Amino acid sequence: NAGVTQTPKFQVLKTGQSMTLQCAQDMNHEYMSWYRQDPGMGLRLIHYSVGAGITDQGEVPNGYNVSRSTTEDFPLRLLSAAPSQTSVYFCASSFTGAYGYTFGSGTRLTVV
Amino acid sequence: EDKVVQSPLSLVVHEGDTVTLNCSYEVTNFRSLLWYKQEKKAPTFLFMLTSSGIEKKSGRLSSILDKKELFSILNITATQTGDSAVYLCAVDPAQGAQKLVFGQGTRLTINP
Repeated sequence: NAGVTQTPKFQVLKTGQSMTLQCAQDMNHEYMSWYRQDPGMGLRLIHYSVGAGITDQGEVPNGYNVSRSTTEDFPLRLLSAAPSQTSVYFCASSFTGAYGYTFGSGTRLTVV
Repeated sequence: EDKVVQSPLSLVVHEGDTVTLNCSYEVTNFRSLLWYKQEKKAPTFLFMLTSSGIEKKSGRLSSILDKKELFSILNITATQTGDSAVYLCAVDPAQGAQKLVFGQGTRLTINP
């Protein structure tokens, strides 16, 4: 039981490049979310999903796309990276959404 | 706009001291308040509070919610260096727990 697995752990991108941050969970959780964490701002919700095939926007969705084709996977795509997207990204999952979320270990992304 | 504010933002104490961390919130609807501990990587779940006046306790950590005054406190007694971390407060605004609203976090440092 690995919990929530995020890859890669670190990534450096050039402005304008695209990439996908991977998130997988093996707990059969329906709810999955992506957050970004910036200094002094806590965690902010980017996109979330309440089940396979269902996604919606959070607080800061611009510049990011998601899809949820399976219960296990919830990838986050950066379409055209910008320096403002330099951040630590966390994926989280929950069985019902009514209890505490389990977070992945994060991806530290730097856009130069 | 839903908002969660934590105070203090930073706190440095000596081992053995007792600390109180604060979390106030303004949300349109409220379902629960959650506390997380974040060391180097992923936030780990501590407590979920839904009812006023009922203390949740785990070892030296305890937390209570006041839904009338819209705040929660997290107490840590007999602090240890291993308690050093960022403590995050989040509110589930009853739009679905996939849309947690986080505070900025309190960075707690315990000196030996």
